[in-house]
Amino acid sequence: GAVVSQHPSWVICKSGTSVKIECRSLDFQATTMFWYRQFPKQSLMLMATSNEGSKATYEQGVEKDKFLINHASLTLSTLTVTSAHPEDSSFYICSARWAGYTFGSGTRLTVV
Amino acid sequence: AQSVTQLDSHVSVSEGTPVLLRCNYSSSYSPSLFWYVQHPNKGLQLLLKYTSAATLVKGINGFEAEFKKSETSFHLTKPSAHMSDAAEYFCVVSEDTGGFKTIFGAGTRLFVKA
Repeated sequence: GAVVSQHPSWVICKSGTSVKIECRSLDFQATTMFWYRQFPKQSLMLMATSNEGSKATYEQGVEKDKFLINHASLTLSTLTVTSAHPEDSSFYICSARWAGYTFGSGTRLTVV
Repeated sequence: AQSVTQLDSHVSVSEGTPVLLRCNYSSSYSPSLFWYVQHPNKGLQLLLKYTSAATLVKGINGFEAEFKKSETSFHLTKPSAHMSDAAEYFCVVSEDTGGFKTIFGAGTRLFVKA
């Protein structure tokens, strides 16, 4: 079946640094990927829709300069959290569409 | 270990008839449970969530789910299906025990016949 690999699964970084999260479709090509964010006991929040070869579409309220999304190939989308701050600490998960929708395993980001 | 099992990959109902989408979970702690719906080329939309309050949770669009700890189930129901309900549905479990993690079920595709 379709597999989406997301790395890293967890990361701790210092405030002010940038962190890159990768979302890779292993056995299929994904023209569209989705990035979500989740806080404990809260629902997932769609951050942006990543389209291969074009600019990502960001949801209202999501800072595009802070959460940089690059979908440079049909199998890879990256989310870079720039100048991270403690309030960016969260769980980030990506999703790609093949026959259905497949989700990565998520990344837990902690900014200290 | 945390896991989520959606028991049906596909469910087909006629318009106006009840919908039942089944979800079983396992969790070592008190989890938060969610149901999401995804329409083609759209992001996930939250239908409802359970976070240790009332066990019967009412959501949007007439959906509801009941948390049954003894059965480790969180099935999604709707009394009367509408054509617009045709979509993919995901049962999701989250734990926050110092190692916050979210796991998705494989999804259930709901077909609604006229």
